[in-house]
Amino acid sequence: GAVVSQHPSWVICKSGTSVKIECRSLDFQATTMFWYRQFPKQSLMLMATSNEGSKATYEQGVEKDKFLINHASLTLSTLTVTSAHPEDSSFYICSARPGGAQNYGYTFGSGTRLTVV
Amino acid sequence: GENVEQHPSTLSVQEGDSAVIKCTYSDSASNYFPWYKQELGKRPQLIIDIRSNVGEKKDQRIAVTLNKTAKHFSLHITETQPEDSAVYFCAARAGAASKLTFGTGTRLQVTL
Repeated sequence: GAVVSQHPSWVICKSGTSVKIECRSLDFQATTMFWYRQFPKQSLMLMATSNEGSKATYEQGVEKDKFLINHASLTLSTLTVTSAHPEDSSFYICSARPGGAQNYGYTFGSGTRLTVV
Repeated sequence: GENVEQHPSTLSVQEGDSAVIKCTYSDSASNYFPWYKQELGKRPQLIIDIRSNVGEKKDQRIAVTLNKTAKHFSLHITETQPEDSAVYFCAARAGAASKLTFGTGTRLQVTL
């Protein structure tokens, strides 16, 4: 089945620094990838949708200059949290969807727990 | 945009009993409805899904029903086991936009 690898699984960083999270589709080409944020005991909230070779589409309220998304190839998308603050501490999960209008499947990465101190 | 509501937020059942979780959606163009199980600190795992051209789907102890007219869908787990304890999320795909909108989650506790 489709596998999505996400790294790192956890990271601790100091306030003001930047953190990059990678999401790779290992056995399929992911034309579309999604980035979610999940706070404790809450649901997954979509942050942005990225399409290979084009700019990401951000959800309302998500700062695009703070959460930089790059989807430069069909197998790799990255999320960079810039100038991180403690309130950015959360569980970040990527999801990839193979191309094709009839392909309904979504595969999730294992998530990255970010702690900003 | 799509709005998905999920109830109940917590559910406690005894082992062997059935559990039912209900979701409603707002976008009549939604055509795909997956259910995910998430254990603490882990990724969501797809347990069953249903497309808008089907009214019911079953996989062993798990079943999902869809009522397009009423715009609601439900997850049914029969003969619950302690390992079914987790948080369950419903989701809906809002048509051509292809993104999933998640419900608020249900924490299921199966007690012995």
